[in-house]
Amino acid sequence: GDSVIQMQGQVTLSENDFLFINCTYSTTGYPTLFWYVQYSGEGPQLLLQVTTANNKGSSRGFEATYDKGTTSFHLQKTSVQEIDSAVYYCANPSGSFNKLTFGAGTRLAVCP
Amino acid sequence: EAGVTQSPRYAVLQEGQAVSFWCDPISGHDTLYWYQQPRDQGPQLLVYFRDEAVIDNSQLPSDRFSAVRPKGTNSTLKIQSAKQGDTATYLCASSEGAEQFFGPGTRLTVL
Repeated sequence: GDSVIQMQGQVTLSENDFLFINCTYSTTGYPTLFWYVQYSGEGPQLLLQVTTANNKGSSRGFEATYDKGTTSFHLQKTSVQEIDSAVYYCANPSGSFNKLTFGAGTRLAVCP
Repeated sequence: EAGVTQSPRYAVLQEGQAVSFWCDPISGHDTLYWYQQPRDQGPQLLVYFRDEAVIDNSQLPSDRFSAVRPKGTNSTLKIQSAKQGDTATYLCASSEGAEQFFGPGTRLTVL
């Protein structure tokens, strides 16, 4: 079945550092891939999505690039801020009703 | 536009007790999802509905779990005879397309 893998459980950065979070996926189809962000005490919210048609998505200063050759879907941001501290999940929708398979998540802590 | 609302926000039970979680999706969203999110893990889909019909409930952990959406709007997830392993946050989401909109969740602790 479909799966997404995030190997980085925790990332700690200082403000204005560069962020790079890795996600690899396994799917039988041509995927749309999502990055969701979950702030403390809240549900996940969609940060950005990427489809095979455009290979790149961006939102709120974050950018994700989809690489079919390496089946990877990385999230990056040039200069993180303390308010970016949250858990970031990559997710793959599948089926007619867009059932989501989430990765394990990467907890980002940004120190002032 | 109001988002997805859930209640209660927190629940603490002894093993063996029953609990129900309630979800009010975004108006007009025909698909509703329930997820279980154990501490420090990603959400895991339990069950989802299109209108009032269950599309897939194969990921419900056991027959102690049940979910309904009788009028195709609000939904209730119930756990009979809760166990410590049910401790998690229970998230509800709704959609009318690819993007799912999540509620804040109900954090359940089973002692």
